[in-house]
Amino acid sequence: AQSVAQPEDQVNVAEGNPLTVKCTYSVSGNPYLFWYVQYPNRGLQFLLKYITGDNLVKGSYGFEAEFNKSQTSFHLKKPSALVSDSALYFCAVRADTGRRALTFGSGTRLQVQP
Amino acid sequence: EAQVTQNPRYLITVTGKKLTVTCSQNMNHEYMSWYRQDPGLGLRQIYYSMNVEVTDKGDVPEGYKVSRKEKRNFPLILESPSPNQTSLYFCASSPPRLAEIYNEQFFGPGTRLTVL
Repeated sequence: AQSVAQPEDQVNVAEGNPLTVKCTYSVSGNPYLFWYVQYPNRGLQFLLKYITGDNLVKGSYGFEAEFNKSQTSFHLKKPSALVSDSALYFCAVRADTGRRALTFGSGTRLQVQP
Repeated sequence: EAQVTQNPRYLITVTGKKLTVTCSQNMNHEYMSWYRQDPGLGLRQIYYSMNVEVTDKGDVPEGYKVSRKEKRNFPLILESPSPNQTSLYFCASSPPRLAEIYNEQFFGPGTRLTVL
């Protein structure tokens, strides 16, 4: 079975500071990894994905994520946080073979203070 | 505008009263899916459909039904709702290449269901 852990329910960061939202995963085979963002009263929006290749993946709105196979992690990062980045962030994983469904983490609420 | 729409957005009902939540997409996507979102549990897949008349169970299918008679629509049916089905429901769609490999899905705005 595949699983995702987002160990922090909430992350607080001051505007302009770097941010990190943590994600670790467990999957049989090679992982496909994703980050989605959910703004209030909206559906999820795709941010970025890791399929293969470079371990540092760049996505929308200046976000990036680093795939670390030995630590089974896929942390989301941004060099300089904006107040508008405040939202709920979900990490998700699926294996490269077999069932297509994504397994989502429980979500991390990012709060950026002005 | 390319989008996934859901109706209703909010629904309060009582135990045992059959209900349907509609989902429609205008992007000609083959793949559609239903999720429920519960605090502390993230999103869990209920059912998905790879194309018209092709549906399959996700992780939490009990108590739900779906149908896929047309490509654009994928309604979620609760034949006899119970309070443990109180949740936030999301429909999503994707072209098959993205769904099978990249899982880059487009989500609807959500339906908040309360079953009393």
